[in-house]
Amino acid sequence: GAGVSQSPRYKVAKRGQDVALRCDPISGHVSLFWYQQALGQGPEFLTYFQNEAQLDKSGLPSDRFFAERPEGSVSTLKIQRTQQEDSAVYLCASIRGGGRGMGEQFFGPGTRLTVL
Amino acid sequence: GESVGLHLPTLSVQEGDNSIINCAYSNSASDYFIWYKQESGKGPQFIIDIRSNMDKRQGQRVTVLLNKTVKHLSLQIAATQPGDSAVYFCAEISNTGNQFYFGTGTSLTVIP
Repeated sequence: GAGVSQSPRYKVAKRGQDVALRCDPISGHVSLFWYQQALGQGPEFLTYFQNEAQLDKSGLPSDRFFAERPEGSVSTLKIQRTQQEDSAVYLCASIRGGGRGMGEQFFGPGTRLTVL
Repeated sequence: GESVGLHLPTLSVQEGDNSIINCAYSNSASDYFIWYKQESGKGPQFIIDIRSNMDKRQGQRVTVLLNKTVKHLSLQIAATQPGDSAVYFCAEISNTGNQFYFGTGTSLTVIP
């Protein structure tokens, strides 16, 4: 596809359940970001990959959050033992280049996670 | 972390008028800023960026102004159209380039 895609678009989970959110960046894009966006707030940085390397995971809120990008393309954000405070939209974005803010950041539509 | 905030959470303008959305940042070392537009149910969309070696940058109907003295950023939209209705965020890029810090956002409503 031409843009960043994310799946599922909507996910409802029971508290304590594990979830996996998928991001397909634009083909060939080196950099990939995950964000968490609470209702009425701006996106909050979670983690950053350059190819398959996770260079920054300082924004992950707890050890229940885990992200991977094993082949440097598709990425998965996994949340274990979901809590109600995890309810948010999870956004993925990619940039063509690597390094310091290189290039325009393209966002996917996000996955809206609701934890009951 | 760095703090990026907006002065006005909501803004309503008449169609055809100009809009100005403001943003304050706290890290004087930041040297790259981006404005994003986010429509309901969609991810943020890049509008325009500016580096700290510039005071002003113009795009199509949009202008970004940067005042480093007071750490202030603004987005001007000329001849605002109904399709401009959205939430607008400014973002500040960390020195490492790894993190984008977003403000809370301003909701712009264009009245036909």
